[in-house]
Amino acid sequence: AQTVTQSQPEMSVQEAETVTLSCTYDTSESDYYLFWYKQPPSRQMILVIRQEAYKQQNATENRFSVNFQKAAKSFSLKISDSQLGDAAMYFCAYRSPIITSGTYKYIFGTGTRLKVLA
Amino acid sequence: DTGVSQDPRHKITKRGQNVTFRCDPISEHNRLYWYRQTLGQGPEFLTYFQNEAQLEKSRLLSDRFSAERPKGSFSTLEIQRTEQGDSAMYLCASTREGGYTFGSGTRLTVV
Repeated sequence: AQTVTQSQPEMSVQEAETVTLSCTYDTSESDYYLFWYKQPPSRQMILVIRQEAYKQQNATENRFSVNFQKAAKSFSLKISDSQLGDAAMYFCAYRSPIITSGTYKYIFGTGTRLKVLA
Repeated sequence: DTGVSQDPRHKITKRGQNVTFRCDPISEHNRLYWYRQTLGQGPEFLTYFQNEAQLEKSRLLSDRFSAERPKGSFSTLEIQRTEQGDSAMYLCASTREGGYTFGSGTRLTVV
C-alpha cells in the first residue's frame, strides 16, 4: 500500500522569504501523480501544484515549485517570496493512475501548517 | 457553476443521534468522493461514486455509515447512532478526470 509522510507538523517563514515543505512517499508503482494542496482556515482545499511521475521536469506554478526526486521518493514544495496569504495547512497527496487503480482516490499526508510572519 | 457545495457547514449532535450530510458536486463531474479529516490528520478516503454507483468503500466506513448518490447528482452521507469518535470534518470532492474540486466540508461535533 502507498503511504505519504510529511515530517514537519509546522513551519514558519518570514514574509518575502523562501520556505520548503517536505514530503516523502512509498510506492511500488512506477507511474503515479503527486500533488500539493493548500487548506486555508476557511477549510476548502485548493490545488497548488501537481507532478506526473513520468515527467522528469519539476513542476512550477508562479511562486510555487517542486523538487521531485523519484528515486528517493521525495516531493518537496518550495514557496518563493512568501506572502501572508500563503499561511495555511499544506497537504502532500499521492494518486495512482486510473488505469491501474480504477479510481482517482488520493492518499494524503498529515499536513504541514505554514505560518507567515510579517 | 459555483463549485462543490456541502450542507450543513457545521453540525452539533448528541451521541446516538443520526445525522445526514449533503454534497452537490460540479454538474459535469461524474465522480464523487467522501473523505474524513480529523484534527491533525490529512483527509482519509471513505467512499467513491462513479455516477450513481458506489464503487469503493473504505474499511473506515462502518455499518453505521451509508452513502448514496441517487441519479448520479448530489450525494448524501448518513451516520447512524453517532459516537464521539465520529467528530471530524467530512469533505466531499468531485472530479471528471482526476483533478479534484473540494467542497468546504461539514464539521461534525458529537457531544
